[in-house]
Amino acid sequence: AQSVSQHNHHVILSEAASLELGCNYSYGGTVNLFWYVQYPGQHLQLLLKYFSGDPLVKGIKGFEAEFIKSKFSFNLRKPSVQWSDTAEYFCAVRNQAGTALIFGKGTTLSVSS
Amino acid sequence: DTAVSQTPKYLVTQMGNDKSIKCEQNLGHDTMYWYKQDSKKFLKIMFSYNNKELIINETVPNRFSPKSPDKAHLNLHINSLELGDSAVYFCASSQDWGPGQGTGANVLTFGAGSRLTVL
Repeated sequence: AQSVSQHNHHVILSEAASLELGCNYSYGGTVNLFWYVQYPGQHLQLLLKYFSGDPLVKGIKGFEAEFIKSKFSFNLRKPSVQWSDTAEYFCAVRNQAGTALIFGKGTTLSVSS
Repeated sequence: DTAVSQTPKYLVTQMGNDKSIKCEQNLGHDTMYWYKQDSKKFLKIMFSYNNKELIINETVPNRFSPKSPDKAHLNLHINSLELGDSAVYFCASSQDWGPGQGTGANVLTFGAGSRLTVL
């Protein structure tokens, strides 16, 4: 069965620090990959997505993610975090055979000013 | 103009009661979903409908019954509520089911969530 692993449960950073959140998935076929963000008390919003092409994708608010097929990974990065980036971050995968979007367990990012 | 709207936003009820959560989307999407987010923030798919037809039914107690009167609406009815049903329930929609297509069909738009508390 398809699954998604997010290695970091809770990440605490100071403003201006660099961020990398890990995401690995287990599915051998073609996948679509996503990162969603959930700000405190809000609904999930799409940060970025990868379907095909350039494995380095850029999203909103300065986030980017790199798809490394050989490692089954889709790590999220941001060079310099801000206090307003404090949120839950969810990696999600959907295989092109047509199933629902499967989410990782999420990473809580806390940024102190 | 809210794209995916859920009502109610908060619901507090006693064990054993029956309750419903409603979801409507005005995006013209064909596919709608219910996800459950537990106290540890884990999001799990419950159901999905494509054009009013059930296409995903995960391992969910049969006390949960989704209903889709039309493709813009997907309601969730829960019978005989239990303490473990306390969670935030998110409705979502996507353009279509789109297997095999790496297109916007796969992008989900979420509602604001409905926080259910069972006492």
